[in-house]
Amino acid sequence: DAKTTQPPSMDCAEGRAANLPCNHSTISGNEYVYWYRQIHSQGPQYIIHGLKNNETNEMASLIITEDRKSSTLILPHATLRDTAVYYCTGMDSSYKLIFGSGTRLLVRP
Amino acid sequence: GAVVSQHPSWVICKSGTSVKIECRSLDFQATTMFWYRQFPKQSLMLMATSNEGSKATYEQGVEKDKFLINHASLTLSTLTVTSAHPEDSSFYICSASLGTNEKLFFGSGTQLSVL
Repeated sequence: DAKTTQPPSMDCAEGRAANLPCNHSTISGNEYVYWYRQIHSQGPQYIIHGLKNNETNEMASLIITEDRKSSTLILPHATLRDTAVYYCTGMDSSYKLIFGSGTRLLVRP
Repeated sequence: GAVVSQHPSWVICKSGTSVKIECRSLDFQATTMFWYRQFPKQSLMLMATSNEGSKATYEQGVEKDKFLINHASLTLSTLTVTSAHPEDSSFYICSASLGTNEKLFFGSGTQLSVL
């Protein structure tokens, strides 16, 4: 089961790319990496997930290292509305999502 | 994407009363739903796994008699906080997935305040 480690906080300028790292060195071979974000007082919002290959969708890109021990979530053009807590997580063997402490991203005007 | 509806959004109750929170999957069937709680400035903590037609599975340290979970249909799970006390005040969030090892969709959460 993946235990994840993320920096507690980061900031970036509006319009610039935000790169959020995550270490998940204990991830198993068939365990997906999921990214969610939570804006204050709301439920988490799904962003993206991946297994081995890099992934991209309308919200973000996910870069997973070849050894799968870490990944980076990229928000290509951060906006003020991207200010949130970002969680990198994986499903445990019972298919439960266990959340770590996440990264609090502040997008500056 | 799939929608999970949670109701109510917030509730204030007196100490000793019970509060029921509903979680509905609006456009899909969910055999499994999950309940989380979150204290201010902390991460989400998984409380229990709700299984349709069977008993819920509780995480270590979560009192099953305190937090009653019922998953009577494929689209509805309820969490009842019984005999609520001020320390039960928290943000409760439910989630559901389209299937095993599928991404979770979350409700908007319920802020419970016990006076």
